[in-house]
Amino acid sequence: AIQMTQSPSSLSAAVGDRVTITCRASQDIRNDLAWFQQKPGKAPKPLIYAASNLQSGVPSRFSGSGSGTDFALTIGSLQPEDFATYFCLQNHNYPFTFGPGTKVDF
Amino acid sequence: EVQLVESGGDLVQPGGSLRLSCAASGFTFRNYAMAWVRQAPGKGLEWVLGIGATGDNTYYADSVKGRFTISRDNSKDTLYLQMNSLRAEDTAVYYCAKGTYYSAWGQGTMVTVSS
Repeated sequence: AIQMTQSPSSLSAAVGDRVTITCRASQDIRNDLAWFQQKPGKAPKPLIYAASNLQSGVPSRFSGSGSGTDFALTIGSLQPEDFATYFCLQNHNYPFTFGPGTKVDF
Repeated sequence: EVQLVESGGDLVQPGGSLRLSCAASGFTFRNYAMAWVRQAPGKGLEWVLGIGATGDNTYYADSVKGRFTISRDNSKDTLYLQMNSLRAEDTAVYYCAKGTYYSAWGQGTMVTVSS
């Protein structure tokens, strides 16, 4: 199975900061990568699909980049509602696999 | 509005069985692959099973192969997860998710495996 790693595992940031989270796949997954945001006790919220495409309704301060094995999620200007945990998912080969998550807090 | 509503979660003893359902609405269910994703308490997301739009193709994580079965009834717009030989490590919130890009999720249903 394809292994996914994320870095950092957690980060502290302030409102207005630019934040970048990276995700690395153990093999080439082209652009078959999605990003999700999750808050405690809630279902994951889809943010990005196919590495760089914004899901409907997601603010434009979120952006995704990368292809092959290295990917990034960037939040252009962190807002109070963005404090959450972020996960990447490879949907290139079954079994699909999630990254371990990155917690963004104060 | 796309909606996915899971049900069937419960407390079950080790070795027991349980069937989860995910009722879909607001989209043409038969046109989309679906999946089950779980999250153990305090842990990350784990992809568990996937199924193609017609139900002909199914995919499993090694952790559940031989014990769990995913299926769907496109006439009822419902996804299922049959869980057998349950173990303590299967304790988790189980989510269903829509499509290949997981563009919609249910609220989750809790499965607790404990004696």
